[in-house]
Amino acid sequence: GQQVMQIPQYQHVQEGEDFTTYCNSSTTLSNIQWYKQRPGGHPVFLIQLVKSGEVKKQKRLTFQFGEAKKNSSLHITATQTTDVGTYFCAGLGAGSYQLTFGKGTKLSVIP
Amino acid sequence: DTGVSQDPRHKITKRGQNVTFRCDPISEHNRLYWYRQTLGQGPEFLTYFQNEAQLEKSRLLSDRFSAERPKGSFSTLEIQRTEQGDSAMYLCASSLVIGVSNKETQYFGPGTRLLVL
Repeated sequence: GQQVMQIPQYQHVQEGEDFTTYCNSSTTLSNIQWYKQRPGGHPVFLIQLVKSGEVKKQKRLTFQFGEAKKNSSLHITATQTTDVGTYFCAGLGAGSYQLTFGKGTKLSVIP
Repeated sequence: DTGVSQDPRHKITKRGQNVTFRCDPISEHNRLYWYRQTLGQGPEFLTYFQNEAQLEKSRLLSDRFSAERPKGSFSTLEIQRTEQGDSAMYLCASSLVIGVSNKETQYFGPGTRLLVL
């Protein structure tokens, strides 16, 4: 079955430093989505990428979808304490409704 | 609040008991999903409804699990003869998709945290 791997599992950064999490799928994806989950909270949708090579920005967050539609990344510039949480990528396979989540990257920001 | 709601938020039960969770999706959303999340893991897909039809079930969903969405609105997830391994957060999500589209935003509820003793 489809597998989605995400690295790193944990990342500790000083406030103001950049942060990147990477996502790789074992199969070609129809689209990839990113979610943020705060401690004790539920996943909150951030963005969806559909096109090969697509790049989208949301303020300090930059999302990329690989040319082969098998990998993706999330980059946060100049992290803030409000960025704390676990970031999940989730891939949708072609012809499937089943969203496969990675294990997430837990981001800690040291003030 | 017009978001996805789930009830109860917490459930403690003894092994062997049956439990039922309810999910109320965002009004007019036609798709509804159930996921299970354990500590340190991402949500795992369990099952999916398009309106009242259950269209896909994960291999994770054993015979002890059953889900319904009788009128295409709220959904219930029942676990029979609970086991300690069923302890997890059960998340519901809903979305609205019109026509054939690979674009979809799933809105998650707060989850029901189940502890089986």
